[in-house]
Amino acid sequence: AQTVTQSQPEMSVQEAETVTLSCTYDTSESDYYLFWYKQPPSRQMILVIRQEAYKQQNATENRFSVNFQKAAKSFSLKISDSQLGDAAMYFCAYRSAGTGNQFYFGTGTSLTVIP
Amino acid sequence: GAGVSQSPRYKVAKRGQDVALRCDPISGHVSLFWYQQALGQGPEFLTYFQNEAQLDKSGLPSDRFFAERPEGSVSTLKIQRTQQEDSAVYLCASSLEAFGTGKNIQYFGAGTRLSVL
Repeated sequence: AQTVTQSQPEMSVQEAETVTLSCTYDTSESDYYLFWYKQPPSRQMILVIRQEAYKQQNATENRFSVNFQKAAKSFSLKISDSQLGDAAMYFCAYRSAGTGNQFYFGTGTSLTVIP
Repeated sequence: GAGVSQSPRYKVAKRGQDVALRCDPISGHVSLFWYQQALGQGPEFLTYFQNEAQLDKSGLPSDRFFAERPEGSVSTLKIQRTQQEDSAVYLCASSLEAFGTGKNIQYFGAGTRLSVL
């Protein structure tokens, strides 16, 4: 099975500053999808950004962007101009493009935004 | 509805009791997933439905766990003879497309927090 590792249990950032959350994964597949989900205290997982492995261009969604390094199997999330509403647990997730329908999630990074 | 709805939001059960957790996916979504999220962990896959067919139940931890989606819409996750280790948040997610197609974006409900005493 694929594994997803988030090595930062907790991170903090000053409001309006930039923070990067790390994620690495282990797979032997060449085609897959990677995701970052945000889970606020309400528990509802919200999709932040999605990357297709066959695309070399890094995905961006407004203040959120990724640094996808396929050879290194790294998928970090950069949050620019951090806002108080960004405070949440962030989960990195992997999904195979070919086999199975499972999402494999990391253990999460708790992000605190300091006013 | 506009999003994935799960009920109840909280459930307290005595050890040995049976529980049933409900998931209302987004209308028209073909795929439905159940996850178990232990405290401080990421969600772990339990089972997957494509319409009414349960195509993957490899993540169910024991035969005490049973899921159904009889009409291809609402799904119920049932846990029989609950144990303390079953305490977790149970998340449901739905996706517009079937397995292996489309953007594979899953939309999650807010989960049911199950506490087994």
